[in-house]
Amino acid sequence: ETGVTQTPRHLVMGMTNKKSLKCEQHLGHNAMYWYKQSAKKPLELMFVYNFKEQTENNSVPSRFSPECPNSSHLFLHLHTLQPEDSALYLCASSPLGASVYGYTFGSGTRLTVV
Amino acid sequence: ILNVEQSPQSLHVQEGDSTYFTCSFPSSNFYALHWYRWETAKSPEALFVMTLNGDEKKKGRISATLNTKEGYSYLYIKGSQPEDSATYLCAPRTRNRDDKIIFGKGTRLHILP
Repeated sequence: ETGVTQTPRHLVMGMTNKKSLKCEQHLGHNAMYWYKQSAKKPLELMFVYNFKEQTENNSVPSRFSPECPNSSHLFLHLHTLQPEDSALYLCASSPLGASVYGYTFGSGTRLTVV
Repeated sequence: ILNVEQSPQSLHVQEGDSTYFTCSFPSSNFYALHWYRWETAKSPEALFVMTLNGDEKKKGRISATLNTKEGYSYLYIKGSQPEDSATYLCAPRTRNRDDKIIFGKGTRLHILP
């Protein structure tokens, strides 16, 4: 375990469903991130939170809705997704100044939209 | 948006052999470069964070060098072992105000017994 816990590990959902991904860290990090990895593509940054405030939304469709109630928890709420949203969703955290310290990643949620 | 190139995309190496692969990035406005190792079904794991031109870092049999003037970094693995099989990601960061890291597509390393 890295110290960043993601649940669930696997999720299958229909296009009309609403579900949420959860990420939790108790490393004392102040920044948290959502990344998406689709097949044959690099990791794509989706959202950045610093001290619970969203500082980056990388042109993500509104069917993905992040929530960061505190510095230790991060959610990604999903609704009316499309099959092309099937991917691995990774959460990461870092001290502020990720460029110096790097990220600690969770194991990811493998999402399949049917 | 940074243009990060990693080569080769995939590499097969005999166990015991040494190998290296490359990360290329725009040299202007460089701030830091990260290397990560990502084993199947696990989390990406930070290997190195490098900031200075000419920097060389080492972790066991793995080492990395950095050339910020020409915009490249090499990752070397000496005496490859099966546990080195993974995808190796590089992620440069520029001196822009945002603190996000952009990843390359990675080099997929397969160690052959």
